[in-house]
Amino acid sequence: QKEVEQDPGPLSVPEGAIVSLNCTYSNSAFQYFMWYRQYSRKGPELLMYTYSSGNKEDGRFTAQVDKSSKYISLFIRDSQPSDSATYLCAMSAGSSASKIIFGSGTRLSIRP
Amino acid sequence: GAVVSQHPSWVICKSGTSVKIECRSLDFQATTMFWYRQFPKQSLMLMATSNEGSKATYEQGVEKDKFLINHASLTLSTLTVTSAHPEDSSFYICSARTRQDRYNEQFFGPGTRLTVL
Repeated sequence: QKEVEQDPGPLSVPEGAIVSLNCTYSNSAFQYFMWYRQYSRKGPELLMYTYSSGNKEDGRFTAQVDKSSKYISLFIRDSQPSDSATYLCAMSAGSSASKIIFGSGTRLSIRP
Repeated sequence: GAVVSQHPSWVICKSGTSVKIECRSLDFQATTMFWYRQFPKQSLMLMATSNEGSKATYEQGVEKDKFLINHASLTLSTLTVTSAHPEDSSFYICSARTRQDRYNEQFFGPGTRLTVL
């Protein structure tokens, strides 16, 4: 079993829809949770950075962490064609020696 | 802020040659840089952690004599793929950590696509 599981998609939704992206994980030591956006042939861009359980909102993006269920989500409101990309969840236990473990990424396409 | 560049963005080389990839932090000092490899439609796999002025720490299964990493300054790390073979063809991405107390906040470069013929 992988430490981090992420549905690879592809996920296609119409412009303006609410998008929900999810990851599950198995390591209860994970404390820090990130979401990255990666456009084709580009490096990942940090979107959201959260610690422990709870919600964090930044513009059209909301990150949720449920440590009891080992489940994290990223919601995108009023989705735009420019949001079309691969979204990677990532997590870490948080010490300087801890690696960041990435999900395999979900390919998202927003239809105009 | 927190901009990371890589050079070259893509490279094609013949089997048996060596290729050097540069990773630079443009507007901050990075005491730690990371090198990842990404295959098509797959996630990022950490290859090694590079600390300025010391030897890199390689992940299990990564040949340190094949993937030479040098972190000579606080703004530059290089990855040299020695005696490249077609199976080394991949997308190589570096990242840098801006602050020692935010271990998990890494900023990524745009990546280098290596094709070995």
